Amino acid sequence: DIQMTQSPSTLSASVGDRVTITCRASQSIRSWLAWYQQKPGKAPKLLIYKASSLESGVPSRFSGSGYGTEFTLTISSLQPDDFATYYCQQYHSYSRTFGQGTNVEIK
Amino acid sequence: QVRLVQSGSELKKPGASVKVSCKASGYTFNSNAINWVRQAPGQGLEWMGWIIPNTGNPTYAQDFTGRFVFSLDTSVSTAYLQISSLKAEDTAVYYCAREKGLGFDPWGQGTLVTVSS
Repeated sequence: DIQMTQSPSTLSASVGDRVTITCRASQSIRSWLAWYQQKPGKAPKLLIYKASSLESGVPSRFSGSGYGTEFTLTISSLQPDDFATYYCQQYHSYSRTFGQGTNVEIK
Repeated sequence: QVRLVQSGSELKKPGASVKVSCKASGYTFNSNAINWVRQAPGQGLEWMGWIIPNTGNPTYAQDFTGRFVFSLDTSVSTAYLQISSLKAEDTAVYYCAREKGLGFDPWGQGTLVTVSS
């Protein structure tokens, strides 16, 4: 199975900060990567697909990049609504594995 | 709009079984696979596997073989997750999610299954 490793596990930031989360795959997944946001008690929400494509309705301050084994999710100017946990997910293989998550908390 | 609505919370004793439902609306049910995802308390997301409505063929992730069964009733656009021989460590929120081929969207609201004596 393809393993997905996110860093950091926790990130403390302030409103207005630029935030970057990294996701590494154990083997090449080309661009077959999605990012999700999850708030406490809620289902995850798709933010980014195919590594860099913004899902409809997602604010443009979110962006994704990367190819192969290394990917990033960037929030250009953190807003109060963005404090949440973020997960990457590969869908290169039939086994759709998630990263362990990154909790973005208020500094 | 496209929606997945899951059944309500369950409290079960160890050794019992549970069946969680996931009803789809707003799209052609046979067009997309349904995934199941587990989230234990305070933990991350684990992909359990999926089922393809066109064929009824399930695929299970390595950690979810044996006691976990995915099924469908296409006549009512509903997918099911059945867990047998429940253990305390099965306590979790279980989500269904539509496979878009480029990610999961939408997700059901989640069903909390609590296993306790």
